[in-house]
Amino acid sequence: EPEVTQTPSHQVTQMGQEVILRCVPISNHLYFYWYRQILGQKVEFLVSFYNNEISEKSEIFDDQFSVERPDGSNFTLKIRSTKLEDSAMYFCASTVAGLADTQYFGPGTRLTVL
Amino acid sequence: RKEVEQDPGPFNVPEGATVAFNCTYSNSASQSFFWYRQDCRKEPKLLMSVYSSGNEDGRFTAQLNRASQYISLLIRDSKLSDSATYLCVVNYRTGRRALTFGSGTRLQVQP
Repeated sequence: EPEVTQTPSHQVTQMGQEVILRCVPISNHLYFYWYRQILGQKVEFLVSFYNNEISEKSEIFDDQFSVERPDGSNFTLKIRSTKLEDSAMYFCASTVAGLADTQYFGPGTRLTVL
Repeated sequence: RKEVEQDPGPFNVPEGATVAFNCTYSNSASQSFFWYRQDCRKEPKLLMSVYSSGNEDGRFTAQLNRASQYISLLIRDSKLSDSATYLCVVNYRTGRRALTFGSGTRLQVQP
Protein backbone atom coordinates (compact mmCIF):
# COMPACT_ATOMS: atom_id res chain seq x y z
CA GLU A 1 0.00 0.00 0.00
CA PRO A 2 1.42 3.42 -0.93
CA GLU A 3 2.36 5.61 1.99
CA VAL A 4 3.71 9.03 2.82
CA THR A 5 7.29 8.94 4.06
CA GLN A 6 9.17 11.53 6.08
CA THR A 7 12.82 12.08 6.95
CA PRO A 8 14.42 12.39 9.36
CA SER A 9 12.35 10.71 12.04
CA HIS A 10 14.01 12.87 14.71
CA GLN A 11 15.91 16.11 14.27
CA VAL A 12 17.73 17.87 17.08
CA THR A 13 18.91 21.42 16.43
CA GLN A 14 20.13 24.48 18.23
CA MET A 15 17.93 27.55 18.54
CA GLY A 16 18.47 29.89 15.61
CA GLN A 17 19.53 27.15 13.20
CA GLU A 18 17.75 26.36 9.97
CA VAL A 19 16.11 22.97 9.53
CA ILE A 20 14.59 21.27 6.52
CA LEU A 21 12.04 18.54 7.01
CA ARG A 22 11.45 16.24 4.07
CA CYS A 23 8.40 14.38 2.88
CA VAL A 24 7.65 12.12 -0.05
CA PRO A 25 3.88 12.20 -0.67
CA ILE A 26 1.99 9.38 -2.32
CA SER A 27 2.87 9.48 -6.01
CA ASN A 28 -0.50 10.28 -7.63
CA HIS A 29 -1.55 12.79 -4.98
CA LEU A 30 -1.93 16.44 -5.88
CA TYR A 31 -2.41 18.26 -2.58
CA PHE A 32 0.24 18.34 0.12
CA TYR A 33 0.06 19.56 3.69
CA TRP A 34 2.14 20.19 6.76
CA TYR A 35 0.70 19.92 10.23
CA ARG A 36 2.38 20.13 13.58
CA GLN A 37 1.61 18.73 17.01
CA ILE A 38 3.26 20.16 20.09
CA LEU A 39 3.60 17.47 22.77
CA GLY A 40 0.32 17.00 24.59
CA GLN A 41 -1.59 19.33 22.28
CA LYS A 42 -3.80 18.95 19.25
CA VAL A 43 -2.73 18.60 15.65
CA GLU A 44 -2.60 22.02 13.97
CA PHE A 45 -2.65 22.89 10.29
CA LEU A 46 0.31 24.83 8.94
CA VAL A 47 0.08 25.00 5.15
CA SER A 48 -1.35 23.37 2.06
CA PHE A 49 0.32 23.25 -1.33
CA TYR A 50 -1.09 22.60 -4.77
CA ASN A 51 0.17 23.12 -8.29
CA ASN A 52 3.53 24.36 -7.01
CA GLU A 53 2.15 27.09 -4.81
CA ILE A 54 0.74 27.61 -1.35
CA SER A 55 -3.04 27.33 -1.47
CA GLU A 56 -3.70 28.06 2.18
CA LYS A 57 -1.73 28.76 5.35
CA SER A 58 -2.50 29.26 9.01
CA GLU A 59 -1.41 32.07 11.29
CA ILE A 60 1.30 29.76 12.61
CA PHE A 61 2.96 29.67 9.19
CA ASP A 62 4.83 32.98 9.41
CA ASP A 63 7.88 34.25 7.53
CA GLN A 64 10.12 31.79 9.33
CA PHE A 65 8.47 28.93 7.45
CA SER A 66 8.62 28.05 3.79
CA VAL A 67 7.64 25.05 1.67
CA GLU A 68 8.97 23.78 -1.58
CA ARG A 69 8.55 20.94 -3.99
CA PRO A 70 12.08 20.85 -5.38
CA ASP A 71 11.47 17.89 -7.68
CA GLY A 72 8.67 15.53 -8.68
CA SER A 73 8.68 13.57 -5.46
CA ASN A 74 9.88 15.58 -2.45
CA PHE A 75 7.95 18.18 -0.46
CA THR A 76 9.92 20.13 2.11
CA LEU A 77 9.25 22.37 5.07
CA LYS A 78 12.01 24.80 6.01
CA ILE A 79 12.21 26.66 9.28
CA ARG A 80 14.72 29.47 8.86
CA SER A 81 15.65 30.28 12.43
CA THR A 82 14.27 27.79 14.87
CA LYS A 83 12.82 28.79 18.23
CA LEU A 84 12.32 26.67 21.32
CA GLU A 85 8.57 26.74 20.69
CA ASP A 86 9.07 25.10 17.28
CA SER A 87 9.75 21.83 19.08
CA ALA A 88 6.95 19.53 17.95
CA MET A 89 6.03 16.60 15.73
CA TYR A 90 5.68 17.72 12.14
CA PHE A 91 3.38 15.63 9.97
CA CYS A 92 3.22 15.73 6.21
CA ALA A 93 0.00 14.65 4.53
CA SER A 94 -1.23 14.26 1.00
CA THR A 95 -4.50 13.73 -0.79
CA VAL A 96 -5.58 13.09 -4.35
CA ALA A 97 -8.01 15.97 -4.76
CA GLY A 98 -11.31 17.26 -3.45
CA LEU A 99 -12.47 18.59 -0.13
CA ALA A 100 -13.62 15.31 1.29
CA ASP A 101 -10.74 13.17 0.15
CA THR A 102 -8.86 11.31 2.81
CA GLN A 103 -5.62 12.91 3.88
CA TYR A 104 -2.89 10.34 4.40
CA PHE A 105 -0.36 11.25 7.03
CA GLY A 106 3.31 10.40 7.17
CA PRO A 107 4.92 9.06 10.35
CA GLY A 108 6.16 12.50 11.34
CA THR A 109 9.45 14.17 12.18
CA ARG A 110 10.09 14.94 15.81
CA LEU A 111 11.87 18.29 15.97
CA THR A 112 13.68 19.17 19.16
CA VAL A 113 15.07 22.69 19.46
CA LEU A 114 17.61 23.18 22.24
CA ARG B 1 -15.06 28.73 21.86
CA LYS B 2 -12.89 25.93 20.50
CA GLU B 3 -13.57 25.01 16.87
CA VAL B 4 -13.76 21.29 17.60
CA GLU B 5 -14.37 20.25 21.16
CA GLN B 6 -13.98 16.80 22.71
CA ASP B 7 -13.96 15.35 26.20
CA PRO B 8 -10.27 14.59 26.80
CA GLY B 9 -10.97 11.52 28.92
CA PRO B 10 -9.34 9.22 29.66
CA PHE B 11 -12.04 6.63 29.26
CA ASN B 12 -11.00 3.46 31.07
CA VAL B 13 -13.19 0.55 30.02
CA PRO B 14 -12.96 -3.24 30.31
CA GLU B 15 -12.58 -5.43 27.26
CA GLY B 16 -15.91 -6.07 25.62
CA ALA B 17 -17.46 -2.81 26.78
CA THR B 18 -19.28 -0.35 24.57
CA VAL B 19 -17.93 3.17 24.67
CA ALA B 20 -19.17 6.39 23.08
CA PHE B 21 -17.26 9.56 22.26
CA ASN B 22 -18.83 12.90 21.50
CA CYS B 23 -17.61 15.92 19.66
CA THR B 24 -19.06 19.35 18.91
CA TYR B 25 -17.94 21.78 16.24
CA SER B 26 -18.49 25.49 16.12
CA ASN B 27 -18.65 26.28 12.40
CA SER B 28 -22.05 25.47 10.94
CA ALA B 29 -20.57 25.63 7.43
CA SER B 30 -18.43 22.56 8.10
CA GLN B 31 -18.58 20.14 5.23
CA SER B 32 -16.70 16.94 5.97
CA PHE B 33 -16.29 15.06 9.19
CA PHE B 34 -13.94 12.31 10.24
CA TRP B 35 -12.76 10.25 13.14
CA TYR B 36 -9.04 9.64 13.22
CA ARG B 37 -7.15 7.42 15.60
CA GLN B 38 -3.76 8.35 16.99
CA ASP B 39 -1.49 6.00 18.87
CA CYS B 40 1.10 7.46 21.23
CA ARG B 41 3.70 9.49 19.29
CA LYS B 42 2.38 8.25 15.94
CA GLU B 43 0.62 9.87 13.04
CA PRO B 44 -3.17 10.26 12.90
CA LYS B 45 -4.80 7.50 10.89
CA LEU B 46 -8.27 7.71 9.41
CA LEU B 47 -10.72 5.52 11.26
CA MET B 48 -13.82 6.52 9.33
CA SER B 49 -15.55 9.35 7.59
CA VAL B 50 -18.85 10.49 9.07
CA TYR B 51 -21.88 10.87 6.84
CA SER B 52 -25.16 12.63 7.51
CA SER B 53 -27.08 9.38 7.44
CA GLY B 54 -24.73 7.77 9.94
CA ASN B 55 -22.40 4.96 9.03
CA GLU B 56 -21.00 1.79 10.45
CA ASP B 57 -17.75 -0.09 9.94
CA GLY B 58 -17.62 -3.31 11.87
CA ARG B 59 -17.64 -2.48 15.57
CA PHE B 60 -17.53 1.27 14.91
CA THR B 61 -20.56 3.49 14.31
CA ALA B 62 -20.40 7.19 13.56
CA GLN B 63 -23.28 9.64 13.72
CA LEU B 64 -23.60 13.26 12.63
CA ASN B 65 -26.22 15.75 13.78
CA ARG B 66 -25.81 18.89 11.70
CA ALA B 67 -28.56 20.78 13.52
CA SER B 68 -26.78 20.32 16.85
CA GLN B 69 -23.29 20.41 15.29
CA TYR B 70 -22.52 17.19 17.04
CA ILE B 71 -20.60 14.07 16.00
CA SER B 72 -20.37 10.78 17.82
CA LEU B 73 -18.38 7.57 17.65
CA LEU B 74 -19.56 4.33 19.21
CA ILE B 75 -17.20 1.42 19.70
CA ARG B 76 -18.78 -1.92 20.51
CA ASP B 77 -17.02 -4.95 22.00
CA SER B 78 -13.87 -2.99 22.85
CA LYS B 79 -10.52 -4.71 22.26
CA LEU B 80 -7.22 -4.03 23.95
CA SER B 81 -5.97 -2.86 20.55
CA ASP B 82 -8.59 -0.08 20.53
CA SER B 83 -6.57 1.75 23.19
CA ALA B 84 -5.58 5.03 21.53
CA THR B 85 -6.60 8.67 21.27
CA TYR B 86 -9.61 9.31 19.04
CA LEU B 87 -9.56 12.57 17.16
CA CYS B 88 -12.65 14.33 15.89
CA VAL B 89 -11.74 16.14 12.67
CA VAL B 90 -13.65 18.65 10.58
CA ASN B 91 -13.08 20.10 7.13
CA TYR B 92 -14.76 23.44 6.54
CA ARG B 93 -16.49 24.54 3.35
CA THR B 94 -15.43 27.41 1.06
CA GLY B 95 -12.60 25.58 -0.61
CA ARG B 96 -10.57 25.12 2.52
CA ARG B 97 -8.91 21.75 2.65
CA ALA B 98 -7.12 22.12 5.94
CA LEU B 99 -8.33 19.71 8.57
CA THR B 100 -9.27 21.08 11.97
CA PHE B 101 -8.60 18.64 14.77
CA GLY B 102 -10.09 18.28 18.19
CA SER B 103 -7.73 17.64 21.06
CA GLY B 104 -8.75 14.01 21.17
CA THR B 105 -10.31 11.61 23.64
CA ARG B 106 -8.03 9.00 25.13
CA LEU B 107 -9.35 5.46 25.43
CA GLN B 108 -7.72 2.80 27.58
CA VAL B 109 -9.20 -0.68 27.27
CA GLN B 110 -8.25 -2.88 30.18
CA PRO B 111 -8.09 -6.69 30.35
